Amino acid sequence: GAVVSQHPSRVICKSGTSVKIECRSLDFQATTMFWYRQFPKQSLMLMATSNEGSKATYEQGVEKDKFLINHASLTLSTLTVTSAHPEDSSFYICSGGTGAYQETQYFGPGTRLLVL
Amino acid sequence: QKEVEQNSGPLSVPEGAIASLNCTYSDRGSQSFFWYRQYSGKSPELIMFIYSNGDKEDGRFTAQLNKASQYVSLLIRDSQPSDSATYLCAVKKADQTGANNLFFGTGTRLTVIP
Repeated sequence: GAVVSQHPSRVICKSGTSVKIECRSLDFQATTMFWYRQFPKQSLMLMATSNEGSKATYEQGVEKDKFLINHASLTLSTLTVTSAHPEDSSFYICSGGTGAYQETQYFGPGTRLLVL
Repeated sequence: QKEVEQNSGPLSVPEGAIASLNCTYSDRGSQSFFWYRQYSGKSPELIMFIYSNGDKEDGRFTAQLNKASQYVSLLIRDSQPSDSATYLCAVKKADQTGANNLFFGTGTRLTVIP
């Protein structure tokens, strides 16, 4: 199956700093990439959808100026959490899809962010 | 009404039994249905997908789809302790263009008791 990697897998930062998370599709071209957040014991919550070369589409309630998404190529998307605060501590998961009809998304292993 | 609904569980079954996980969806036009398994602290991994009414079998897993009832289920035969995880149902709508969005249920936590 298709492989998606994320880096870093775990990050601890101080409140007020920015954190960048990379998501790469290793063996396919991800026309679309998705960013999810998952709090403990809760389901996945879609944050934003991005298509290569265009601006991301954010879900309601997600601040686009706080969560900067860049999808510069068909194999790389980045999520930057700007001025992170403790309430941003969560499990961030990206996924990629080729856009083919009925095809699913392929998930990365996730990045656990802890903001102190 | 939520797009995708699942019983949160927990669902406990003894080892060797059949585990039955259920999911309903609200959009009658949905056409693609997926089951993911998520272990604690890990990201979801795809188990099965189903597009047509009826049953689809893959090893110990069987997905069942009933579009008239807007219902999709996952059966796990000969359940093993390693099957203990949260199972997420996901649905893709027919009118999605380009974005390929999936709508996820909140997941059902399954525990297989040795």
